[in-house]
Amino acid sequence: AQSVTQLGSHVSVSEGALVLLRCNYSSSVPPYLFWYVQYPNQGLQLLLKYTSAATLVKGINGFEAEFKKSETSFHLTKPSAHMSDAAEYFCAVSGSSSGSARQLTFGSGTQLTVLP
Amino acid sequence: AAGVIQSPRHLIKEKRETATLKCYPIPRHDTVYWYQQGPGQDPQFLISFYEKMQSDKGSIPDRFSAQQFSDYHSELNMSSLELGDSALYFCASSLYRGGSYNEQFFGPGTRLTVL
Repeated sequence: AQSVTQLGSHVSVSEGALVLLRCNYSSSVPPYLFWYVQYPNQGLQLLLKYTSAATLVKGINGFEAEFKKSETSFHLTKPSAHMSDAAEYFCAVSGSSSGSARQLTFGSGTQLTVLP
Repeated sequence: AAGVIQSPRHLIKEKRETATLKCYPIPRHDTVYWYQQGPGQDPQFLISFYEKMQSDKGSIPDRFSAQQFSDYHSELNMSSLELGDSALYFCASSLYRGGSYNEQFFGPGTRLTVL
């Protein structure tokens, strides 16, 4: 079974400041990890994914995340926040491609507010 | 690029009525997933289909059923609707290519309101 825990349901940063959204995972098999962003009344958009290649993953809109097995973490960062980054961010995990664990298990989400 | 299409986008039903949600995956994608996102909640996996066969089952109520058709579109049928079924229902599609995993692409969702 897989699960993810997102620390902090709400995060506020000033425009231009570092964004750090935390995600820790639990998985009995090598995990695939994802970050999705959801704007109000919209669907989920994939920001980036980790599928056992490079541990530092670069995504869209300047976001990146680092897979740290020793810490079971996959935190999302962006050097400089923009007002347009304000949204809900979900960390998600799935199991390996074989078997029946391909569905995504989401964390509880982190609402990012960007202050002017 | 073509995306996942869901219809309708909004649906209002009364308690005990039925509803059918439709999902059209990205062309050539062979796997469809359904998720339910309640107000202020994270998306919860309901059910998935690969090559028109059910592949995984999550927290889908017995009142709900789903299937994937020969053109790969999928329908989620919901009966005896309850107030608690009010939620955003997402469909996602992916391509299971030679055993490797590809990310899921989400549709815009169908917002179901049960009165």
